[in-house]
Amino acid sequence: GAGVSQSPRYKVAKRGQDVALRCDPISGHVSLFWYQQALGQGPEFLTYFQNEAQLDKSGLPSDRFFAERPEGSVSTLKIQRTQQEDSAVYLCASSLGAHGELFFGEGSRLTVL
Amino acid sequence: DQQVKQNSPSLSVQEGRISILNCDYTNSMFDYFLWYKKYPAEGPTFLISISSIKDKNEDGRFTVFLNKSAKHLSLHIVPSQPGDSAVYFCAGGGGGADGLTFGKGTHLIIQP
Repeated sequence: GAGVSQSPRYKVAKRGQDVALRCDPISGHVSLFWYQQALGQGPEFLTYFQNEAQLDKSGLPSDRFFAERPEGSVSTLKIQRTQQEDSAVYLCASSLGAHGELFFGEGSRLTVL
Repeated sequence: DQQVKQNSPSLSVQEGRISILNCDYTNSMFDYFLWYKKYPAEGPTFLISISSIKDKNEDGRFTVFLNKSAKHLSLHIVPSQPGDSAVYFCAGGGGGADGLTFGKGTHLIIQP
């Protein structure tokens, strides 16, 4: 497809489990962003990649969160030892540059029990 | 510290009338602002943007106004249609940050 693709769309994890969320950006988009959206809130910045380089990870809430984009295309957000407060929609977005319009995927909804 | 604030969690407007969604910001370094629209179970989609050097941008039924001195922007939708019912997010860009900084959103409900 032509848009940003995320999988899985829905993930239920038991507390303490590790999860991995995948993002396939629009082809040719250099920049890739991960956002976390809790219920009733706006998207909150987690991390930013320019090609394969992670240029900003200031929004990652703890060292249990890890993101990678090894070949400058597909990205994976990994959450280790999930906790209930990690329950949220994780949105991936891509763009041609670091600024301007972001194109979002449909998100991965994580529920931690 | 919330840099982008949308103080109305929800807004109900009659079909055919004007919808006005408001947004305030504290970061005077933002270079541009965008409005996104979000339906349930979908990702946000871009609606309209405005550069910080402009005070108005219009695209069909959608107009965004920027008042830099008041650090305030608004989105006008006229006439409002049932398909406009969604959550609207205001976002600021630039200002030394990567990507966009979002408000909490306003849920617009268009009444028939």
